[in-house]
Amino acid sequence: QSALTQPPSASGSPGQSVTIYCTGTSRDVGAYNSVSWYQQHPGKAPKLMIYDVTRRPSGVPDRFSGSKSGNTASLTVSGLQAEDEADYFCISYSLNNPEGAFGGGTKLTVL
Amino acid sequence: EVQLVESGGGLVQPGGSLKLSCAASGFSGSSMHWVRQSSGKGLEWVGRIRGKTNNYATAYAPSVTGRFTISRDDSKTTAYLQMNSLKNEDTAVYYCALDPRDCYSVCSFDIWGQGTMVSVSS
Repeated sequence: QSALTQPPSASGSPGQSVTIYCTGTSRDVGAYNSVSWYQQHPGKAPKLMIYDVTRRPSGVPDRFSGSKSGNTASLTVSGLQAEDEADYFCISYSLNNPEGAFGGGTKLTVL
Repeated sequence: EVQLVESGGGLVQPGGSLKLSCAASGFSGSSMHWVRQSSGKGLEWVGRIRGKTNNYATAYAPSVTGRFTISRDDSKTTAYLQMNSLKNEDTAVYYCALDPRDCYSVCSFDIWGQGTMVSVSS
């Protein structure tokens, strides 16, 4: 059982927006602005998409955005494209816990 | 741009040992984590080693404590995962992942290796 809760699946049509939620506790998501999101295509390594809740690494399209409210972080993908279909994982800094807190992953399907 | 290249995976019998390597083009001051993923499953943190500033401190998941050891050689910019007393349930793709801010917990895994498959089976 993962420390952070994500929905197992999400979907949207091309051009639409989809939001994926990641719920933790006051010891991880709620305590720190260190939530990161990763995209993983089948057979590939994960790729950092969002860090520090809202920041995008160089090269990540601005269609990807992050936010947080209380113990829940979210990743929004706007203007969905076929290549956005992938698994998405959230990870948070966690109090007194070197391993952080991992979400179980959400499979995003572009209809 | 930093890149991570992993090697050392393979097939091993239960109770056997394997050593994975993660060669980086540059990781001074960063912490290196190992994360694994069983087929069709989510990510599972294995352990990490911090940088020189934080005395190369290590930490491990309870499931591997006492069996796995993480080390690094900064002169070779390479991190290692020594796996002993391997079990069937250790079968997974193993990734090394770099946290450039060398945080106590996980700040962000900015760079990932390509992954190497470890299969434990008789």
